Amino acid sequence: DQQVKQNSPSLSVQEGRISILNCDYTNSMFDYFLWYKKYPAEGPTFLISISSIKDKNEDGRFTVFLNKSAKHLSLHIVPSQPGDSAVYFCAASARTSRGGADGLTFGKGTHLIIQP
Amino acid sequence: DAGVIQSPRHEVTEMGQEVTLRCKPISGHDYLFWYRQTMMRGLELLIYFNNNVPIDDSGMPEDRFSAKMPNASFSTLKIQPSEPRDSAVYFCASSAPGYGYTFGSGTRLTVV
Repeated sequence: DQQVKQNSPSLSVQEGRISILNCDYTNSMFDYFLWYKKYPAEGPTFLISISSIKDKNEDGRFTVFLNKSAKHLSLHIVPSQPGDSAVYFCAASARTSRGGADGLTFGKGTHLIIQP
Repeated sequence: DAGVIQSPRHEVTEMGQEVTLRCKPISGHDYLFWYRQTMMRGLELLIYFNNNVPIDDSGMPEDRFSAKMPNASFSTLKIQPSEPRDSAVYFCASSAPGYGYTFGSGTRLTVV
């Protein structure tokens, strides 16, 4: 039972164009969402996050949009660059009753390929 | 800061052998997580600790898996006995409130 779903295993985008990666979630307790980027033979690295009190967060070429009613978030990369080729994981978290943070629930990832 | 350090980077073992994976979290981080990555299931949370205490081990696949955190700077994930289906990349991550999650580079385990 996947609580975080990334339905596109791979995505190919031309350099300079916009890359849009999508993520859906089912658990309404999730209130914090993150995107991680992973290169081969390395651990995932944090890219950008968004709290459920916002619907947009921007950091340079990266923007994350959150649609709570649809339980959907997306990552936009513009313009796409060759170095953006990697696997992108969507992740979600819910605050525990103790006020801490439990582990992240990850999607299966989308392999983004930027073509020159 | 050296980040989250995992060892070994690669481990090849025979079925039935005991395997121990090691993790050193970032100093000052009070949460430590063990994840497993496979093609079929993606990244799965196995167990996490807060202040060295296991909080949620519901992701541990079966009794062959065990994890300990004897102090704030060290954790182990042990598989005994190992099976071919345990082959995966195992990641350790640490975090502190307001500082996000930092992953190690992973241990690629192959059980033959």
